[in-house]
Amino acid sequence: EADIYQTPRYLVIGTGKKITLECSQTMGHDKMYWYQQDPGMELHLIHYSYGVNSTEKGDLSSESTVSRIRTEHFPLTLESARPSHTSQYLCASSTGQGYGYTFGSGTRLTVV
Amino acid sequence: QQQVKQSPQSLIVQKGGIPIINCAYENTAFDYFPWYQQFPGKGPALLIAIRPDVSEKKEGRFTISFNKSAKQFSLHIMDSQPGDSATYFCAATSMNYGGSQGNLIFGKGTKLSVKP
Repeated sequence: EADIYQTPRYLVIGTGKKITLECSQTMGHDKMYWYQQDPGMELHLIHYSYGVNSTEKGDLSSESTVSRIRTEHFPLTLESARPSHTSQYLCASSTGQGYGYTFGSGTRLTVV
Repeated sequence: QQQVKQSPQSLIVQKGGIPIINCAYENTAFDYFPWYQQFPGKGPALLIAIRPDVSEKKEGRFTISFNKSAKQFSLHIMDSQPGDSATYFCAATSMNYGGSQGNLIFGKGTKLSVKP
């Protein structure tokens, strides 16, 4: 079944640690996105990619980085986690301009 | 001009009621308007979408009403059920834009609670 997978679902980590949030999709979508969602609900776009070797920063400034070496894989990395990075991170993919976003179930990150 | 304004922020209705969530946009180039539904612990999922060539679209108990001249669109949930309790996001984009302008612009979300 075509889907988008995020791991881990939950992560509690100490300040200063390096972490990578994984996102993989099996739909062959060219476009992929990372959103940060706080308890206040609003979705903040932090990174997106239009294909292999393409990455762009989103509307919300983020200390994280992303890479897109394979179409199906779009990992997000925090080199040095801080408590301010505590949030839910959602990955999404789409076939084209705007429509057909498919979201993963998210990673709930807590930095202590 | 890229914003999508969504209201209300939260909404409580009784079972069987008809909650209405409203969104407004300014960019006249927007031509695709989806709604997403998000349950706790899950990512948003596409619920229903409309193009500006129609004024209304129904899928089951969910209806989008679209007013092109007012640049507004709304989601109506008929005969609402406790299982409809979720956060709802409207969004907009232009299907003709490439690059970042083709990304979905999301509203800030509405938390809906349907009481039994």
